[in-house]
Amino acid sequence: GAGVSQTPSNKVTEKGKYVELRCDPISGHTALYWYRQSLGQGPEFLIYFQGTGAADDSGLPNDRFFAVRPEGSVSTLKIQRTERGDSAVYLCASSLSSGGAGTGELFFGEGSRLTVL
Amino acid sequence: GESVGLHLPTLSVQEGDNSIINCAYSNSASDYFIWYKQESGKGPQFIIDIRSNMDKRQGQRVTVLLNKTVKHLSLQIAATQPGDSAVYFCAEGGGSYIPTFGRGTSLIVHP
Repeated sequence: GAGVSQTPSNKVTEKGKYVELRCDPISGHTALYWYRQSLGQGPEFLIYFQGTGAADDSGLPNDRFFAVRPEGSVSTLKIQRTERGDSAVYLCASSLSSGGAGTGELFFGEGSRLTVL
Repeated sequence: GESVGLHLPTLSVQEGDNSIINCAYSNSASDYFIWYKQESGKGPQFIIDIRSNMDKRQGQRVTVLLNKTVKHLSLQIAATQPGDSAVYFCAEGGGSYIPTFGRGTSLIVHP
């Protein structure tokens, strides 16, 4: 597809379980972002990749959250020991570049809605 | 607290009217601002951006105004259409251009 693809679109899990959310960015986009959005709020930054490396992970709330992008394309957000407060829509975005001469335009996927019971 | 916020959580307009959505920011060092539109069940969609060396930028039916003196920006939508109904976010980008989003304004367009 031409856009950012996120799977699953919906995930319901129980408290304490492990969850993985996947993001397929637009082909050729070197920058990849993860955000979290709670109901009625704006997206909250989690982590940003430039290529394979996490250039900024300052938004990850705690060490239960981890993200990888081993080949500089697909990224996986991993949440261990999920808590009810982790329930939110997790958004992934990609862009051609970030900073410098880049436009800064992010292309978002439709998100993965996580519900922790 | 948040460095970017919106004055009005909900804005209702009639189809054909012009809409103005306002946003305040607190970081005077911010040098890049973006407006996004988010429809229900979808991710945010880029509308228009502006850098701090500009005070106005126009797109198709949209205009963004930046007032650095009072740290305020606005999004003007001309001839608002029902398809413009969505939540609008302003986002602030610093040197790294990682957008920081405000809470959003819900725009409701009545036919």
